[in-house]
Amino acid sequence: DTGVSQDPRHKITKRGQNVTFRCDPISEHNRLYWYRQTLGQGPEFLTYFQNEAQLEKSRLLSDRFSAERPKGSFSTLEIQRTEQGDSAMYLCASSSPGLVRATGELFFGEGSRLTVL
Amino acid sequence: KQEVTQIPAALSVPEGENLVLNCSFTDSAIYNLQWFRQDPGKGLTSLLLIQSSQREQTSGRLNASLDKSSGRSTLYIAASQPGDSATYLCAVNVGAQKLVFGQGTRLTINP
Repeated sequence: DTGVSQDPRHKITKRGQNVTFRCDPISEHNRLYWYRQTLGQGPEFLTYFQNEAQLEKSRLLSDRFSAERPKGSFSTLEIQRTEQGDSAMYLCASSSPGLVRATGELFFGEGSRLTVL
Repeated sequence: KQEVTQIPAALSVPEGENLVLNCSFTDSAIYNLQWFRQDPGKGLTSLLLIQSSQREQTSGRLNASLDKSSGRSTLYIAASQPGDSATYLCAVNVGAQKLVFGQGTRLTINP
């Protein structure tokens, strides 16, 4: 069990550029989550996958954001036309199968910190 | 809309003291509550998960309680150590696989 891994750990980009983050969950976990955390705040939910299906999306996820989990394993989060307000830590988490509506214990990665200049 | 509040925002105590961190939430219709630890610039580490039907959970020096009817949870840390210094976050599961987090309590244990 290598835990949840995220790449890259840090990304600095100029406003208007596209960025993509990758998340590799714990191998036996079929549930995968993306959260966003700004400085001094708790994480905010962005989206949730069960296997390859994206079942929940927050209103925070504007049309510039897209997330995929094509084979039910790793996931990518792409931000198009980045804005300075997108600067944040993007956290990925995974969990094992459980109750339909309830989360199980979430295991988080180290996060990908985005800075938009 | 569920809101989660953690008080105090920061806490500094001498090593060896027992301490309590507080978490309150506005809607008692939750599935579970989780406590996490976050070191600076790092991801979150799960500490304890309490199901809505449970009153408390224990892991080592940590004990978390849940009073759903009053919308409160506490995290008790016994015999605090400098290595316990971190930000502690509570989060409630409001269904639809979403966690709503508080802003955290930044804990400093002074040697």
